[in-house]
Amino acid sequence: AQRVTQPEKLLSVFKGAPVELKCNYSYSGSPELFWYVQYSRQRLQLLLRHISRESIKGFTADLNKGETSFHLKKPFAQEEDSAMYYCALSGNAGGTSYGKLTFGQGTILTVHP
Amino acid sequence: EAQVTQNPRYLITVTGKKLTVTCSQNMNHEYMSWYRQDPGLGLRQIYYSMNVEVTDKGDVPEGYKVSRKEKRNFPLILESPSPNQTSLYFCASSLVAGYEQYFGPGTRLTVT
Repeated sequence: AQRVTQPEKLLSVFKGAPVELKCNYSYSGSPELFWYVQYSRQRLQLLLRHISRESIKGFTADLNKGETSFHLKKPFAQEEDSAMYYCALSGNAGGTSYGKLTFGQGTILTVHP
Repeated sequence: EAQVTQNPRYLITVTGKKLTVTCSQNMNHEYMSWYRQDPGLGLRQIYYSMNVEVTDKGDVPEGYKVSRKEKRNFPLILESPSPNQTSLYFCASSLVAGYEQYFGPGTRLTVT
């Protein structure tokens, strides 16, 4: 079974402070990991994907297979980063061929001015 | 404009009255999926489809049916809705499984 845990439901920081949104996963195979973001009144959209190793809007995430984590980080938070963030895992175990996608419970990030 | 559309956007219905929520994408994506979003539970996958006529269960398929007769459409069917299916539903598609998913705007369903 695949599982994704985001331990923080709510996270508040001040503008300019570093931010880290935690994501831990449980999976026995080779996972594809994603961070999706939902800004107010907008559709859920991809923020970044571990395999691309890009930095999007200043955010980065490193896959740590030893700790089974995929934490999202940004050195200097901005007010426009306030949103709901979801960590998600897609795997190929049991013949699912990455079809099954499991999301965490989500973290609401609020960046105060 | 490349997008995923869902209809209706809002629906209030009564227990037991069959309903269908449509989902359509114009990006020629092979993969499509349905999710429900509930407070404190995040998004949970209901069903997904790897391609036409290929569907499989997600984590919470009970009480739902899907079909994929055409590549662009992936309707979600509730044969006998119950109040515990009151939720916000999202459809999504991607080029193939494991790639970036594009989400629809959501359908808010209330079953009384």
